[in-house]
Amino acid sequence: DAGVTQSPTHLIKTRGQQVTLRCSPKSGHDTVSWYQQAPGQGPQFIFQYYEEEERQRGNFPDRFSGHQFPNYSSELNVNALLLGDSALYLCASSLEGLWETQYFGPGTRLLVL
Amino acid sequence: EDQVTQSPEALRLQEGESSSLNCSYTVSGLRGLFWYRQDPGKGPEFLFTLYSAGEEKEKERLKATLTKKESFLHITAPKPEDSATYLCAVQRNNNNDMRFGAGTRLTVKP
Repeated sequence: DAGVTQSPTHLIKTRGQQVTLRCSPKSGHDTVSWYQQAPGQGPQFIFQYYEEEERQRGNFPDRFSGHQFPNYSSELNVNALLLGDSALYLCASSLEGLWETQYFGPGTRLLVL
Repeated sequence: EDQVTQSPEALRLQEGESSSLNCSYTVSGLRGLFWYRQDPGKGPEFLFTLYSAGEEKEKERLKATLTKKESFLHITAPKPEDSATYLCAVQRNNNNDMRFGAGTRLTVKP
């Protein structure tokens, strides 16, 4: 059973560029959440998608946007990249109604120069 | 606002030396408190969910407990492979996000 997968694993961008990160949830899961983790910090909630809709959003600017596809996979888009956007971006999946167990992917490490 | 504070920031133990990690939290209406393990360069790995004060859960050398203000992760006779960062998170009722602490970086020396 494949767990949560994310692509790419690493990415280098320059300020002002745009980036798209991808996530495939664990088999059978229908809910995807995205988190940003800065070095030495815990993950910070960006938003959650369910039934192709953004269900809840954390305290992130609208430069951060997302999408969920009918197969439950998801994308995170970040526009107008800033140096401070450098972080590990984590995707987590769960099954609606079984909220207590979220499975995280390995993350995408983004470096903005 | 929900807050999660973990202590200590870092902990070095000798193999076999038991200890506890602390997670203090403030949240309005706790839905669940979570413990995760994170190895360097990897995503967090789910360990436990605790729902109410007095609850305890165990997994191998780990035991998590919960009070109304804090949670402890007890590590009994740790091994070097237990070295990792341990993250605590809380989720409020009727809310879908998780508020994480900064973690405790545990190193177990052989």
